[in-house]
Order: sequence, then C-alpha cells, then structure tokens
Amino acid sequence: DGGITQSPKYLFRKEGQNVTLSCEQNLNHDAMYWYRQDPGQGLRLIYYSQIVNDFQKGDIAEGYSVSREKKESFPLTVTSAQKNPTAFYLCATEPGPGGVNTEAFFGQGTRLTVV
Amino acid sequence: KNQVEQSPQSLIILEGKNCTLQCNYTVSPFSNLRWYKQDTGRGPVSLTIMTFSENTKSNGRYTATLDADTKQSSLHITASQLSDSASYICVVTLFRNSGNTPLVFGKGTRLSVIA
Repeated sequence: DGGITQSPKYLFRKEGQNVTLSCEQNLNHDAMYWYRQDPGQGLRLIYYSQIVNDFQKGDIAEGYSVSREKKESFPLTVTSAQKNPTAFYLCATEPGPGGVNTEAFFGQGTRLTVV
Repeated sequence: KNQVEQSPQSLIILEGKNCTLQCNYTVSPFSNLRWYKQDTGRGPVSLTIMTFSENTKSNGRYTATLDADTKQSSLHITASQLSDSASYICVVTLFRNSGNTPLVFGKGTRLSVIA
C-alpha cells in the first residue's frame, strides 16, 4: 500500500444514498486515480487528477464525483445516480508526469455493497 | 483503440512448477509496461516495470520479458509457491502528453497454485 490509505475497507449503502470513499496519501505524489473492479473485469478508470484543483473524467465517470482540494486527498462520492455501485474500488497514485519508469501505487481498496 | 489482452484467463498449476503468463497490447504511444500481482480483496502490488528499450527484468522468482516490436510481454514464474496464487495484471502506460487515459489495464490472469 506504500503510504496510501483507503477507508473504509467495507461499506454498505442503501439504495438512493450517496456515500464517500476516502483516499489519502503521504507519498507527495501529484497524480491520483480512482478505479472500479468487478469480478472477471479489468480495472476501469472512474476519475483521475494530475494536480490539485483539477481532475478529469475516466471511462465510467457517470454517477460518481470527486474533488482534489489537497494534494494528499482525493475522495470519491458514489451518488444515487450510479445504478450498479456494488464493486471493489481502488485508489492509486503516481509521482506525476514525466519519467518513463514511474509506477502506480495502489491502496488496499474499499468494497462497496448496496443493500 | 488502446487495448491490453492477457492469456490465459485462469491457470492452475502444481506447487514447484513453472508457468508463463502472456500479455499482448495495442497501445500507442507506449511509455512502459508493468506487471502487478493482486491478492484477493487487496490492491495490486508492482512486480516489474519495463521501458521500450528493456527486454527482460527479474524480481526474485518473477521474470518479465518485453518484445516492443511484436508488442508482447510475458511473466514467467519459477518454482511456484502457494503464495503465488493471485491475479496477475499487465498494465501499459501511455506518454503523458498523449491526451489519453494514462494507464491501460489487462483483465488479468487468475493463477491458482495447488499442493
């Protein structure tokens, strides 16, 4: 996990509720990412942020929102508009643009279940 | 379209045996290729990272190869152990200024090592 903390580890949400997943890092990395992982599927990008106060939609951003007010934090809100939110959510960080040997570090994930 | 294809989808081997996992990609412009190990319910952990000019890289019993001409990579695991049971994910990185989603993930190979 290398200095990336995701919380909570397990989260249960009632239908129609918004929930926020936390991702905090102390690696001083510029770039942060949110991915969703479903059984038998590869990781799919929800949102990413290269610098503070800026973020970009990924491939499956609908029903999700993010903020990047601080370099260390990149919370993900799963809104009621996300119709199938049950999944494993992973946060990742990278040092930033440039450097062909940079690698992504992942948190331990949050498993979200709709009840 | 930028894609990463992995094979086989799943694999079962006996403890102590070797195995090789495959990754083919159609990603451009290429920056680097990474192999990650993901234990069930946890975040991926980096095994190797290779740039365009590197043909092989080892990390203990894990050896990755890269053929940039054919756009193929492999991950060879020697003398497998029960703890090697996990999903192995191939990830290709695009150059940052390409304007595309920076990381392209394969769906992974699920390896089960049995006694």
